[in-house]
Amino acid sequence: EDQVTQSPEALRLQEGESSSLNCSYTVSGLRGLFWYRQDPGKGPEFLFTLYSAGEEKEKERLKATLTKKESFLHITAPKPEDSATYLCAVDSQAGTALIFGKGTTLSVSS
Amino acid sequence: DTGVSQDPRHKITKRGQNVTFRCDPISEHNRLYWYRQTLGQGPEFLTYFQNEAQLEKSRLLSDRFSAERPKGSFSTLEIQRTEQGDSAMYLCASPGPSQGVEQYFGPGTRLTVT
Repeated sequence: EDQVTQSPEALRLQEGESSSLNCSYTVSGLRGLFWYRQDPGKGPEFLFTLYSAGEEKEKERLKATLTKKESFLHITAPKPEDSATYLCAVDSQAGTALIFGKGTTLSVSS
Repeated sequence: DTGVSQDPRHKITKRGQNVTFRCDPISEHNRLYWYRQTLGQGPEFLTYFQNEAQLEKSRLLSDRFSAERPKGSFSTLEIQRTEQGDSAMYLCASPGPSQGVEQYFGPGTRLTVT
């Protein structure tokens, strides 16, 4: 069964304190791994797609990487506006829809 | 703004009432997805349309739920005889401008059943 597990569930950082969020997955044929940002009361906002092991994508203070079993979202020198829930999802060859993890809630204080 | 719109944004209803939500996807995109998200969880797949055809339904979609996509444009999701367990955020998604595997989500409809 396709599955996505994210850790930690919650992460508190000081402004400027870099860290990483983890997404472990088991899937029968990965078509893509996705990272989304979700603010309270809003729909998920698309950030990155990764297709194969070794691939990396960057956007501002965020960098996503992918291995055969997990993905990391690295946050460099975060700011309070980076506070949100970050969701990881996979698209497998066996299914139609995205399978999401429960997310990591990031809080960045100044 | 992803180009996916949903209406209403919030709905409060009493248990046993029927509710209907609407999704207008990014224009000219033939695929449309509905998801449900409860507090502390990621979105869970409900159903999928390719044009006007409903091609897949999750086991989460009980017989009280029905979805339509007339003429392959907007879509509606109806819940009959609502229960408190139906309280959740209902999200609609469609592919992005490149029609790739990415899904772009609307703002969601927050349903509260009292």
